[in-house]
Parts: sequence; C-alpha cells; structure tokens
Amino acid sequence: EPEVTQTPSHQVTQMGQEVILRCVPISNHLYFYWYRQILGQKVEFLVSFYNNEISEKSEIFDDQFSVERPDGSNFTLKIRSTKLEDSAMYFCASSDYRANEKLFFGSGTQLSVL
Amino acid sequence: KQEVTQIPAALSVPEGENLVLNCSFTDSAIYNLQWFRQDPGKGLTSLLLIQSSQREQTSGRLNASLDKSSGRSTLYIAASQPGDSATYLCAVTGNTPLVFGKGTRLSVIA
Repeated sequence: EPEVTQTPSHQVTQMGQEVILRCVPISNHLYFYWYRQILGQKVEFLVSFYNNEISEKSEIFDDQFSVERPDGSNFTLKIRSTKLEDSAMYFCASSDYRANEKLFFGSGTQLSVL
Repeated sequence: KQEVTQIPAALSVPEGENLVLNCSFTDSAIYNLQWFRQDPGKGLTSLLLIQSSQREQTSGRLNASLDKSSGRSTLYIAASQPGDSATYLCAVTGNTPLVFGKGTRLSVIA
C-alpha cells in the first residue's frame, strides 16, 4: 500500500537554529498537510497546501514557519529559528482529490529543541 | 470552534473482551469523522472513515458509528487482543481541517 514517508525520524537542534523537515506524500495525492503533537497533547493542525500554495493555516503557523514543494515529490516544513516550545512530533499527511478527505499520515519526525 | 472529546482517557481490559470507545464533538456540521490508531512514538494509522451521510463503517473486528445530530461517535472493538493495545484518536473535519481528540489509551491484558 502506498505510504507517506518522512525524514528524518528524529532531529535534535539548538534553539535558534533552522530546521527542515521532509516528507514525500503519496504520489497521486493533491492535498498536503503538516500537523504536530506536543508530548501528552492533542494532534494540532499547522497548514494545508494545494496547487503550490497554502490553502489554510492555523494560528500556530506564524512567520517562523514555511512550507514548500520544491519538486514533484517532496513537501517540506521549515522552521526558521527554533524555540524550545517547537519540540514536538511533526506529522505530514496527504489526501487525494478532495480537501479533508481520508488523510494518510507519515510516521512523523520527532523534533527536540535544546 | 470545533472541540473533540474522547472518553475514557485510558482503558484496561482483559483479552477477548468487547469494548466501546466514545468520541463527542461540539459542531455537528462535519464532512466526515475518522478513527486513527497511534502506537507509542509512531505515526497515525487510519482505521475507519465515516462520511457525514453514513451511520457506520466496519473493518474486521472494528465498527464505528456516527450520530451527527447528537455529535457522537463510538468505536466498537470485538474480541480484543493484546495487539490492539494503542491510543485511539477520533478526528472530525468540516469547514476546518481535521480536529483531533486527545485519544483513549487502550491496554489489552493477555
């Protein structure tokens, strides 16, 4: 079965550093998402992306965050200057031809900001 | 603003027992509801998706029901097994992207 892949599985960084989290969505999917889960808390929506632009973003997704689809397969989340509170599991997801239809999630990147 | 609540927060049952996990949501204007499974430190595996026009969906030993008007869904797991031990998340989507509950942590004891 096709799956969403995310790299790296773990990322440790120093506060203030830039990080890029990478995702390869399912190949025929058109909608892409980033979610995050702080330890012990709910999974929270960050941003959705369609047709090479952001379609929706949450209050969490401020100017420190950006997303990009640099080629036909990768989808990235960049955090410009990491803060301690950015430590979380970041999940990428994709869905096919309709927004918010069945989402397929990757296995996540655990980001630790020291 | 959509809020999703899951009860109980944790549940421990002996192997073979049938069990029900509950999910409630505050805004009944949803497109669909999904149940996910999350293993510790892992990603989210979609178990069942119920469209807003549907009442239930079944997959193997899992059955999910939806009562949109009352803002409730249940996930029924038949003949539970130790391998079912995980956190089960409920999530709804409507005019907003998926909104998740905090999950029910299930332990099935052999």
